[in-house]
Amino acid sequence: DIVMTQSPLSLPVTPGEPASISCRSSQSLVHDNGYNYFDWYLQKPGQSPQLLIYLGSNRATGVPDRFSGSASGTEFTLKISRVEAEDVGVYYCMQALQTPHTFGQGTRLEIK
Amino acid sequence: EVQLVESGGGFVQPGRSLRLSCRASGFRFDDYAMHWVRQAPGKGLEWVSGISWNSGSIGYGDSVKGRFTISRDNAKNSLFLQMNSLRAEDTALYFCAKDRGPTSNYGMDVWGRGTTVTVSS
Repeated sequence: DIVMTQSPLSLPVTPGEPASISCRSSQSLVHDNGYNYFDWYLQKPGQSPQLLIYLGSNRATGVPDRFSGSASGTEFTLKISRVEAEDVGVYYCMQALQTPHTFGQGTRLEIK
Repeated sequence: EVQLVESGGGFVQPGRSLRLSCRASGFRFDDYAMHWVRQAPGKGLEWVSGISWNSGSIGYGDSVKGRFTISRDNAKNSLFLQMNSLRAEDTALYFCAKDRGPTSNYGMDVWGRGTTVTVSS
């Protein structure tokens, strides 16, 4: 199975400041079509998860443009340009190239 | 409104079975792959199973393979998860999720609120 490793696991951030979360996969997630089969999800407190980024770098519908995703080999990064209070929650990465799909451990973002 | 509503959760003894259902509305169900994802109390997300639009491609997590069976009824806009030989470690909130594409590779863009399964003697 593909192993997804996130860092950091806890991320305290001051509102208005940038934030970055990393996720490393144990093997390439590039499909034959050239796309990275990799997603970012946010689970806000008490809510179901929501899709933030799909295919490595595409923002899902309704996701603010302060969120961006990038990929370099097996390293994936989620960046928030200016953190807002509503961004609090647990962020998960997930690979969708092979079954079983696998999630990272989650990164808890909190406001300082 | 695009919506997924899970049902069928409950309290069950180890070794018994349970069948979860997910009713979809507000989108063309038979165009999209579907997933089950679970979350044990206080833990992270775990992908359980996925099924393509036409049931031609199915996958399972290692911890449920051989015990759980995913299926769908496109005529009834419904997704199912038959869970057999349940164990205490299957205790979790089970989410139904829609994929963005016809196979289970493009991101889960719609999620239900979940149904709780508790396995205990």
